[in-house]
Amino acid sequence: GAGVSQTPSNKVTEKGKYVELRCDPISGHTALYWYRQSLGQGPEFLIYFQGTGAADDSGLPNDRFFAVRPEGSVSTLKIQRTERGDSAVYLCASSPYPTGPSYEQYFGPGTRLTVT
Amino acid sequence: AQSVSQHNHHVILSEAASLELGCNYSYGGTVNLFWYVQYPGQHLQLLLKYFSGDPLVKGIKGFEAEFIKSKFSFNLRKPSVQWSDTAEYFCAVGVGKLVFGAGTILRVKS
Repeated sequence: GAGVSQTPSNKVTEKGKYVELRCDPISGHTALYWYRQSLGQGPEFLIYFQGTGAADDSGLPNDRFFAVRPEGSVSTLKIQRTERGDSAVYLCASSPYPTGPSYEQYFGPGTRLTVT
Repeated sequence: AQSVSQHNHHVILSEAASLELGCNYSYGGTVNLFWYVQYPGQHLQLLLKYFSGDPLVKGIKGFEAEFIKSKFSFNLRKPSVQWSDTAEYFCAVGVGKLVFGAGTILRVKS
């Protein structure tokens, strides 16, 4: 079946602009996660949705970052007033359950964001 | 604070050599441990996971990992690597959200 998809695959924007990154999780997965991966680092947690609500947004670096999942499926990560330090690969993952022995996060290909 | 430390950032091995990648974690509460792999040009995929029970966990492609609670470690092993194992390997810990290590880039020479 289809995996997690993310669009766009690449995004180049100018400093100060607004960007939206989209994630389509695997159908039926209730949990959705956003991570950010900078060069030479592992993925860093941003926010986690269970259904439509943000269960944990402790990883969002500041109030320029916001994410929504209005219908419990597709999610959009929104970044206002982008800065060069926001340049990274933004990863989305989904899982059928948030915890438990069968728990596994399935990752998408990521969106590479470059802020010039 | 939760953290994961991977000891080696780059490892180069010849085919058929044995592999061990170190992972130490600092985490309060129930420990769920994972190894993910990212092959060149592909997205992250799960190699293996530990939740409870037998501390020796077997994953895909001949990989295994051992959870040693007293050492806060979850090292990844493979007896004989292949050229196709060239990839970046990430150790992670968490319930729900995951905390990842910085990754180890493995290059296998044919």
